Amino acid sequence: GAVVSQHPSWVICKSGTSVKIECRSLDFQATTMFWYRQFPKQSLMLMATSNEGSKATYEQGVEKDKFLINHASLTLSTLTVTSAHPEDSSFYICSARVQLAGAGTDTQYFGPGTRLTVL
Amino acid sequence: QKEVEQDPGPLSVPEGAIVSLNCTYSNSAFQYFMWYRQYSRKGPELLMYTYSSGNKEDGRFTAQVDKSSKYISLFIRDSQPSDSATYLCAMRRDGGYNKLIFGAGTRLAVHP
Repeated sequence: GAVVSQHPSWVICKSGTSVKIECRSLDFQATTMFWYRQFPKQSLMLMATSNEGSKATYEQGVEKDKFLINHASLTLSTLTVTSAHPEDSSFYICSARVQLAGAGTDTQYFGPGTRLTVL
Repeated sequence: QKEVEQDPGPLSVPEGAIVSLNCTYSNSAFQYFMWYRQYSRKGPELLMYTYSSGNKEDGRFTAQVDKSSKYISLFIRDSQPSDSATYLCAMRRDGGYNKLIFGAGTRLAVHP
């Protein structure tokens, strides 16, 4: 099946620094990737949709200057949290859009997530 | 009102029990329905997907969709401790690509 990886799996940083999270599709090309944020015991909150070679589409309320998304290749999307603050601490998960064989539709396969802690 | 409602639980059952997990939704345009399993501190993994109404079975898992009632279910037979996780329903509309709308997730604990 489709495998999506994320790096790093966890990161601790000081307030005011920037952190980059990578999302890779390992055995397929992903023209569309998604970035989610998840707080403890809550569901996934879509932050943005990332299309290869174009600007990301951000959900309402998500600051695009704070959460920079780059999808420069068909296998890599990055999320940079700029000038991170403690309230940005969360679990960040990426996913890739994958065509379901024989189903005439697609779904999302998720990466393992990155836990960000901002001190 | 949320588009997708899911009881967060927790749901605790003994090993071997049949588990029923459910979601209701309000948007009649939803056509694709999915169930994801998420272990603690991990990303969600796709368990099953269905299109429109009907049942689909895969091993110990059965997904049901009742569009007339706007109600979907996931049944787990012969539950195992390894099934302990959070189960998220997700759904979207037909026609081109539309984003997935997730339920809040139900935490399931299967005890030996």
